[in-house]
Amino acid sequence: EIVLTQSPGTLSLSPGERATLSCRASQSVSSGYLVWYQQKPGQAPRLLIYAASSRATGIPDRFSGSGSGTDFTLTISRLEPEDFAVYYCQHYGYSPPYTFGQGTKLEIK
Amino acid sequence: EVQLLESGGDLVQPGGSLRLSCAASGFTYSSYAMSWVRQAPGKGLEWVSGISDSGDITHYADSVKGRFTISRDSSKNSLYLQMNSLRAEDTAVYFCARRYYYASGSYEVKAFDSWGQGTTVTVSS
Repeated sequence: EIVLTQSPGTLSLSPGERATLSCRASQSVSSGYLVWYQQKPGQAPRLLIYAASSRATGIPDRFSGSGSGTDFTLTISRLEPEDFAVYYCQHYGYSPPYTFGQGTKLEIK
Repeated sequence: EVQLLESGGDLVQPGGSLRLSCAASGFTYSSYAMSWVRQAPGKGLEWVSGISDSGDITHYADSVKGRFTISRDSSKNSLYLQMNSLRAEDTAVYFCARRYYYASGSYEVKAFDSWGQGTTVTVSS
């Protein structure tokens, strides 16, 4: 089973700043299987990035994903008020279990 | 517009059973694999179970194997999760999710591209 570790647990930033969120896998994974989601309180998760770096439909270009092997990054270039949420990475691999990281909470400073 | 609408969540006693449903619309349901993902109160996301587009392949997390059964009815565009022998640790919001899939040779891409709003299961005496 692939274990994903996200850091930091909480990130406090101000609107307009740049956010960098990390997701580290316990072993090397295919970038095709690395996914990022955004979740706001009381809502379902929303797909942001798939295949490590491809933005989902309707996702603004301030969101970008990068990385390979065991280290992946979600970057929000310039934070908007609506970006403050919890972000999860996921390894949706060849076979289950399809694991999620524990999440990074992005909060307003 | 893709829509997934869960129902069936309730308060149930430990050891009890519950059946969750997810009604799908806005896409060709029979062409997509589907999953259930849950989220315990204040916790992160946990994949629970998945089923192939044809319904002939199912998978379960170790935490629910032998207790939960996933199924689908393409004539009703619906996904189900039969939950037996429920435990307090099964308390969560349960989401159904659609799988996005792309493959080029041996390179695969997967993601949950659409989610329902969730249904709440509480296991407590």
